[in-house]
Amino acid sequence: DTAVSQTPKYLVTQMGNDKSIKCEQNLGHDTMYWYKQDSKKFLKIMFSYNNKELIINETVPNRFSPKSPDKAHLNLHINSLELGDSAVYFCASSRQGAQDTGELFFGEGSRLTVL
Amino acid sequence: AQKITQTQPGMFVQEKEAVTLDCTYDTSDPSYGLFWYKQPSSGEMIFLIYQGSYDQQNATEGRYSLNFQKARKSANLVISASQLGDSAMYFCAMSVDNYGQNFVFGPGTRLSVLP
Repeated sequence: DTAVSQTPKYLVTQMGNDKSIKCEQNLGHDTMYWYKQDSKKFLKIMFSYNNKELIINETVPNRFSPKSPDKAHLNLHINSLELGDSAVYFCASSRQGAQDTGELFFGEGSRLTVL
Repeated sequence: AQKITQTQPGMFVQEKEAVTLDCTYDTSDPSYGLFWYKQPSSGEMIFLIYQGSYDQQNATEGRYSLNFQKARKSANLVISASQLGDSAMYFCAMSVDNYGQNFVFGPGTRLSVLP
């Protein structure tokens, strides 16, 4: 029973295409995130949602659009893919209660390659 | 804005010896959490250890301990009795604000354990 699952794990596509990555968590967490890890391994936050509401929207091209249909799901849609979008995209979730550390639980990552 | 610095891009350690991975952070928020994550070559992100800014004692988890020096704003990870399986990227991270929704990572340190 995977706690945070994202699909697909690998995605190879042509420039200009549109693609989506799905994420689901079964931990009952309120907050979900998308992170981008580039080829140098830098992890950069893209979006954060709390109870389906967008909380953090970093400087990300508006070709990237997150959607949270409920607090257990956070999907990422990318329009007009560019070469520079090639990266590993991680979904994560956390619980923010007073007794919680707030640690991030990560999915396995989705490796996107744009040709 | 908060920032995490890891000054060691790469480290080598002999098997069974201890190693310290450096991490310094910058935030003006009095309440924050510090985390270490491990990313082996398989790519998943593994949570190792957590330290809260108000915790009086240094955190320990098995062979991992966090050397927390609040005045110096440092949160170094100490791995005792290194094993070959400890070879991986290690990321220091910080969360700030009441709901930990802004979770920032350092650039990482690649640790190689030598037999």
